[in-house]
Amino acid sequence: TQTVSQSDAHVTVFEGDSVELRCNYSYGGSIYLSWYIQHHGHGLQFLLKYYSGNPVVQGVNGFEAEFSKSDSSFHLRKASVHWSDSAVYFCAVSAGNYAQGLTFGLGTRVSVFP
Amino acid sequence: EAAVTQSPRSKVAVTGGKVTLSCHQTNNHDYMYWYRQDTGHGLRLIHYSYVADSTEKGDIPDGYKASRPSQENFSLILELASLSQTAVYFCASSDAAFSGNTLYFGEGSRLIVV
Repeated sequence: TQTVSQSDAHVTVFEGDSVELRCNYSYGGSIYLSWYIQHHGHGLQFLLKYYSGNPVVQGVNGFEAEFSKSDSSFHLRKASVHWSDSAVYFCAVSAGNYAQGLTFGLGTRVSVFP
Repeated sequence: EAAVTQSPRSKVAVTGGKVTLSCHQTNNHDYMYWYRQDTGHGLRLIHYSYVADSTEKGDIPDGYKASRPSQENFSLILELASLSQTAVYFCASSDAAFSGNTLYFGEGSRLIVV
């Protein structure tokens, strides 16, 4: 069974600041790791994913994430946030049986102030 | 144009009543999922399906049934709605292994049971 933990429930930043959202997982085998964004009142939207290869993956809107097998982590970063980045961000893992969908973390709410 | 559409977007139901949440996708995906979202619990998988006329139990199936009459449609049925089923429900589709199990979500259905 795979698990995902997001250590920060809420992060507050100012426009132009950088942000890093932490995600740690536990699973012994090969997995897909991904990040999703949820704006208030809407469904989740895919940001980026990692399975193998370059541990730094690029996503939409300037987001990137770095996989670390030694730390069991997949942290999301953005160099300069915009007010529109205010949302809840979910880390997710998918283990060997892809049919069973994703296991999500509890999410990190990001509030961006002008 | 939204590829996963849910209806209704919002509903108030009485305890003990029957509720049907519907989901329609135009992604031509084989896999479909129903998740519920509650504050403090993130998203939890209720039921999923990987082919028409077949459904599988997810992590929290008790009190819910699912129906997949066609590739495009996937319904979630609450035969006897209870207060504890007040939540936001999300439908998602995926082509599973082909995309690393990237999920495409609908906008959600907010259910309030009174």
